[in-house]
Amino acid sequence: SQQGEEDPQALSIQEGENATMNCSYKTSINNLQWYRQNSGRGLVHLILIRSNEREKHSGRLRVTLDTSKKSSSLLITASRAADTASYFCATDPQFDYGGSQGNLIFGKGTKLSVKP
Amino acid sequence: KAGVTQTPRYLIKTRGQQVTLSCSPISGHRSVSWYQQTPGQGLQFLFEYFSETQRNKGNFPGRFSGRQFSNSRSEMNVSTLELGDSALYLCASSWGRGQPQHFGDGTRLSIL
Repeated sequence: SQQGEEDPQALSIQEGENATMNCSYKTSINNLQWYRQNSGRGLVHLILIRSNEREKHSGRLRVTLDTSKKSSSLLITASRAADTASYFCATDPQFDYGGSQGNLIFGKGTKLSVKP
Repeated sequence: KAGVTQTPRYLIKTRGQQVTLSCSPISGHRSVSWYQQTPGQGLQFLFEYFSETQRNKGNFPGRFSGRQFSNSRSEMNVSTLELGDSALYLCASSWGRGQPQHFGDGTRLSIL
C-alpha cells in the first residue's frame, strides 16, 4: 500500500516561478527521498534527507522534513521548462530497532508542468 | 560510469505466458530492487536482493519471482501472465540499505 501522499496531484506554473510539493507519510522512517520521473523514463534521485535532519539543499532544490507531523516538502526555485516531470517522495521505512527495511514506499506523485 | 541497464525496453506477451526481465546494476552496487509501476497502483515494491540473497519481498503473488547472480545482475520472472501484469517494471541499484537508489529506464510489459 502507498505510504506517501503527495500534494498537489498536479501543478502548473510559469518559468521562473517557484514550485512547492508536499508529502505526508504514516510510519517511522529511516530517511525520505525525492525522485523525478520524465515521461516514459526511469526515476532520477534528487535528494535524500535523513530522519534526524530538518532541511537540506541541493542547487535549486530545498527539502524540509518534519518527523513530528510526518511530512516533507520539496521546493524548486526559479523553475525551468526542463523541470517539467512527475515528482515522487519515497520513504525508507524503519524497523522497530531502527534499521532500514530495504524497500522504498512511494507516493503517487505530483505532476509538474512549467510553461515557458 | 554506466547507469542501470534494463533489457528488454519493451515486451508484448499474451495471457498465460511467462516472461523474464533483466537488470544490470551500476558497477560496484550489490543491492538491487525491483518495482512495478501502474497508473492505478503507482510504484510498488517487488523484491530486494543483496549479494545473491533476497532480503525483502513485497506483497505480490508467487507468480512473481527473482534472483541475483554473483556479478550482482538480477532477473525477475513472471509466470502465467495476467492482463493486470501490464506495467512498467523498474530496477534500481544502490550501495545498500538507506542509500539513494539509481533506477534504470524500465521494461514496459504489455499483456494482450
